[in-house]
Amino acid sequence: AQSVTQLGSHVSVSEGALVLLRCNYSSSVPPYLFWYVQYPNQGLQLLLKYTTGATLVKGINGFEAEFKKSETSFHLTKPSAHMSDAAEYFCAVSEVPSNTGKLIFGQGTTLQVKP
Amino acid sequence: EPEVTQTPSHQVTQMGQEVILRCVPISNHLYFYWYRQILGQKVEFLVSFYNNEISEKSEIFDDQFSVERPDGSNFTLKIRSTKLEDSAMYFCASSVIAGGRDTQYFGPGTRLTVL
Repeated sequence: AQSVTQLGSHVSVSEGALVLLRCNYSSSVPPYLFWYVQYPNQGLQLLLKYTTGATLVKGINGFEAEFKKSETSFHLTKPSAHMSDAAEYFCAVSEVPSNTGKLIFGQGTTLQVKP
Repeated sequence: EPEVTQTPSHQVTQMGQEVILRCVPISNHLYFYWYRQILGQKVEFLVSFYNNEISEKSEIFDDQFSVERPDGSNFTLKIRSTKLEDSAMYFCASSVIAGGRDTQYFGPGTRLTVL
């Protein structure tokens, strides 16, 4: 069965510092990979996704993630944190192939950005 | 930009009562989903729905749960007899296609509190 692990339930960085949120998956076949962000009192918003092709994926708000098959990882990075990046971040996977699109989520990482 | 909407934003009910959570997916989307997030836990898949039938459901989605698309725009989740452990945030999502590759767009959620 597929699973997703996000290392660190809370990450705190200073404004302007590098953001690194870790995600590892367990799957017999490399899945489709997603990062979602949830701001307070809002739904989940897609940051970026990897399906096929280039393993370095760029998303919204300056975030990017790299799919590393050998490490079964899909870590999310941003070179310089902004106060507005404070939110909860979820890594998710979807089976390949899938007729239903079911997403399996990690437990989430809360990003705190300090001034 | 089109968005998924959900009503109500917060529902309080007594144990044993029936609740219906409502969602309006994005209009040209064909696949619909419900997820839930118990406080402090992962976002969990409940059910996917396509062409007026369930395409996949999780173990959580037992006989107490049902989904319906009554009128071509709304997508509802009914819990027949609520339990304390049903207290959670319920998210509706929709996508144009399934197969895992497509982006699921999430609503803001309904917080269900069972007393």
